[in-house]
Amino acid sequence: AAGVIQSPRHLIKEKRETATLKCYPIPRHDTVYWYQQGPGQDPQFLISFYEKMQSDKGSIPDRFSAQQFSDYHSELNMSSLELGDSALYFCASSLGDRRTEAFFGQGTRLTVV
Amino acid sequence: DQQVKQNSPSLSVQEGRISILNCDYTNSMFDYFLWYKKYPAEGPTFLISISSIKDKNEDGRFTVFLNKSAKHLSLHIVPSQPGDSAVYFCAASPIYNQGGKLIFGQGTELSVKP
Repeated sequence: AAGVIQSPRHLIKEKRETATLKCYPIPRHDTVYWYQQGPGQDPQFLISFYEKMQSDKGSIPDRFSAQQFSDYHSELNMSSLELGDSALYFCASSLGDRRTEAFFGQGTRLTVV
Repeated sequence: DQQVKQNSPSLSVQEGRISILNCDYTNSMFDYFLWYKKYPAEGPTFLISISSIKDKNEDGRFTVFLNKSAKHLSLHIVPSQPGDSAVYFCAASPIYNQGGKLIFGQGTELSVKP
């Protein structure tokens, strides 16, 4: 069965650079969530989209922005990268009905040097 | 402010025995709870969920118990297998949230020894 696809799997950027992470949800899933997991920490919710509109916002820095496109894939844009942005970034998708579980991608490991 | 807490960072269990992972929450608006399993460098994998209208949900070797008055849930794995060794995250979703945002606990690393 198709799963959530994230690209790239690994990314190394320098401080103050920009990064774009991509997420392709499971077919027919219309909701996408982004999470950030720092070393030794639990996943922290960043932002979510439902039917291409932002549905909820968590602890996402102003330097980050995201959107969901017409094909339901989503991109997380991160600018002015800081060392503390180094983390595993997970994308998850679900059907609009929040009673269904979210399925996670394998994550993108971002390293800022 | 940690709204979902897993107070045991690690748990070691013998193969064939029961594993019990605990989770406490503070927000009374949470009404849907999920358990995820995570291997290193992989995304969390959904295991089992429970709605607040139930106190138990079972799926094969996995059973989740919910005690709403104590704001406590637990995941039981019986019998435990070495392949169950992973980090287990408890997650909760609030009633008002239509986007399905999940609040995660810190995780418990389960080690099942042969």
